[in-house]
Amino acid sequence: SAVISQKPSRDICQRGTSLTIQCQVDSQVTMMFWYRQQPGQSLTLIATANQGSEATYESGFVIDKFPISRPNLTFSTLTVSNMSPEDSSIYLCSLGGQGGTGAFFGQGTRLTVV
Amino acid sequence: AQSVTQLGSHVSVSEGALVLLRCNYSSSVPPYLFWYVQYPNQGLQLLLKYTSAATLVKGINGFEAEFKKSETSFHLTKPSAHMSDAAEYFCAVSEGNTPLVFGKGTRLSVIA
Repeated sequence: SAVISQKPSRDICQRGTSLTIQCQVDSQVTMMFWYRQQPGQSLTLIATANQGSEATYESGFVIDKFPISRPNLTFSTLTVSNMSPEDSSIYLCSLGGQGGTGAFFGQGTRLTVV
Repeated sequence: AQSVTQLGSHVSVSEGALVLLRCNYSSSVPPYLFWYVQYPNQGLQLLLKYTSAATLVKGINGFEAEFKKSETSFHLTKPSAHMSDAAEYFCAVSEGNTPLVFGKGTRLSVIA
């Protein structure tokens, strides 16, 4: 299984600011995924990040709010822009999950917006 | 599009009792099905997965799940609950190469 390192593990941010979350994988992967887990809720897919192309966003998520970078096959970032308290969630990066392989997850970033 | 329904947002069992967490899925093609566990303040850990091989799947920590196509179910069971099993459990489905779609989760409490 792959090792996924996600930073920061938690942060408390002021509304109106932005936070960039980093996800580093110990092996090369084509597709990486970003999920959001709101308090007491399940995981919702934000976007799929392919190396060398624009991220594909799910309904309800837009690039201006959640810009994603994927500069190489082992790294991705998710930025939460112009934050509001409603953005307080756990954000998780993930890889795999296609073809029955089962997805692997980072430890998540617990974001609190005040 | 695929979807997952987990019946019961909270299940409470006594230590040593049977654990049964219910999951029903909807999929237009033969699905891949997964159970994940999330302990407090931690990430998700894969418990087990069904990928069209054996319908009874054994996972870690004594958990198992049975794929029943006729019932579109993939319920998670463990014969004897342990205090350390208290956590949030998520059922998830994937079709082919699509990302996982998760159910809303079931919080398992184990009473001493």
